[in-house]
Amino acid sequence: EDKVVQSPLSLVVHEGDTVTLNCSYEVTNFRSLLWYKQEKKAPTFLFMLTSSGIEKKSGRLSSILDKKELSSILNITATQTGDSAIYLCAVEGGSEKLVFGKGTKLTVNP
Amino acid sequence: ETGVTQTPRHLVMGMTNKKSLKCEQHLGHNAMYWYKQSAKKPLELMFVYNFKEQTENNSVPSRFSPECPNSSHLFLHLHTLQPEDSALYLCASSPTSGGLYSYEQYFGPGTRLTVT
Repeated sequence: EDKVVQSPLSLVVHEGDTVTLNCSYEVTNFRSLLWYKQEKKAPTFLFMLTSSGIEKKSGRLSSILDKKELSSILNITATQTGDSAIYLCAVEGGSEKLVFGKGTKLTVNP
Repeated sequence: ETGVTQTPRHLVMGMTNKKSLKCEQHLGHNAMYWYKQSAKKPLELMFVYNFKEQTENNSVPSRFSPECPNSSHLFLHLHTLQPEDSALYLCASSPTSGGLYSYEQYFGPGTRLTVT
């Protein structure tokens, strides 16, 4: 059965800290891994990582896919209170199914 | 069954057909959501229901018609769809929508829809 596990489940840091969120997966015929930021309503898309694009960066956020270790990390540098959210990892496998992890709840305190 | 279930898992329909997608949650949640996940646009929110009342319609064409008879069930009725509507349709639920507990959304496995 396809599975996505995120860690830690929750994290509390101070503004300016750097955080690393983890996502590991077990899927058949991996196609892509996606990171989302979820605040009040719909998750907002951050990155898509595939075999042909294993590293993405946007401002203070960056993500790396390790296909050998079947995992990905999401890094946030110089965190701000606006980064407080749940960060979701989802993986698409050969069954064309999108499997979501439970998310990491990040709280950034001033 | 536990969690969020969706049926059917795969659906192929012609442009003149009428079909319905079903979502059921066994988590005691009060809010349910429909999302569209297409190849080029990851995860678009379509509809939100909170305590059976529709609280959000994200400019979705009328060929998609949601129905929420109770807090555990959500349907998406489809008619006269277009090929560009082919996508993965995901259902999610959360304890409520809006406010402190809106964060936790639990997703179903999705329905892969192909419109021919």
